[in-house]
Amino acid sequence: GENVEQHPSTLSVQEGDSAVIKCTYSDSASNYFPWYKQELGKRPQLIIDIRSNVGEKKDQRIAVTLNKTAKHFSLHITETQPEDSAVYFCAASRNNAGNMLTFGGGTRLMVKP
Amino acid sequence: DAGVIQSPRHEVTEMGQEVTLRCKPISGHDYLFWYRQTMMRGLELLIYFNNNVPIDDSGMPEDRFSAKMPNASFSTLKIQPSEPRDSAVYFCASSSLGTGQETQYFGPGTRLLVL
Repeated sequence: GENVEQHPSTLSVQEGDSAVIKCTYSDSASNYFPWYKQELGKRPQLIIDIRSNVGEKKDQRIAVTLNKTAKHFSLHITETQPEDSAVYFCAASRNNAGNMLTFGGGTRLMVKP
Repeated sequence: DAGVIQSPRHEVTEMGQEVTLRCKPISGHDYLFWYRQTMMRGLELLIYFNNNVPIDDSGMPEDRFSAKMPNASFSTLKIQPSEPRDSAVYFCASSSLGTGQETQYFGPGTRLLVL
């Protein structure tokens, strides 16, 4: 089955700096890669996703890149703000896996004011 | 739409008691997922349903755990008997079939504490 590795497990940045979180996956048939943000005590919420026919996607201060050959994808947050502090999860799935997501272990991002 | 609804939001019980967690998916969604989240093990998929039928229950820890989906708008996760190591946050999520609709929407979770 699919295996998703996520790094780093914790990340501390200064407000205004950029943050990058990286994930690798094992199943070359995976074609959908969402990123979730989970604030303390809250539910995971989708912030951005990318499909395998696209190499990069951007939404305001966040962007995701995908390298299918190397089987890795990354989340980029620019101009970080204290409210970006949360745990971020990457995930991967295949259409024929019935929408089943395999999650990475999570990255705790701390943005220091 | 109210989103995915879970109840109760918090549950405190004693070891050996039966615990039932409930979930109402988003109307029209074909898939329902049950996850468990702990600090040690992260976010684990326990079981998921497609059109009310269990598809993959390989993540269910042991026979003490069971899940049902009697209709498209209701699912339960039952733990009997409960043990302290079952303490965790249990999330339910739902999604639709098809490219562009596979986003999983999570409920608020049930925080379970087994004493």
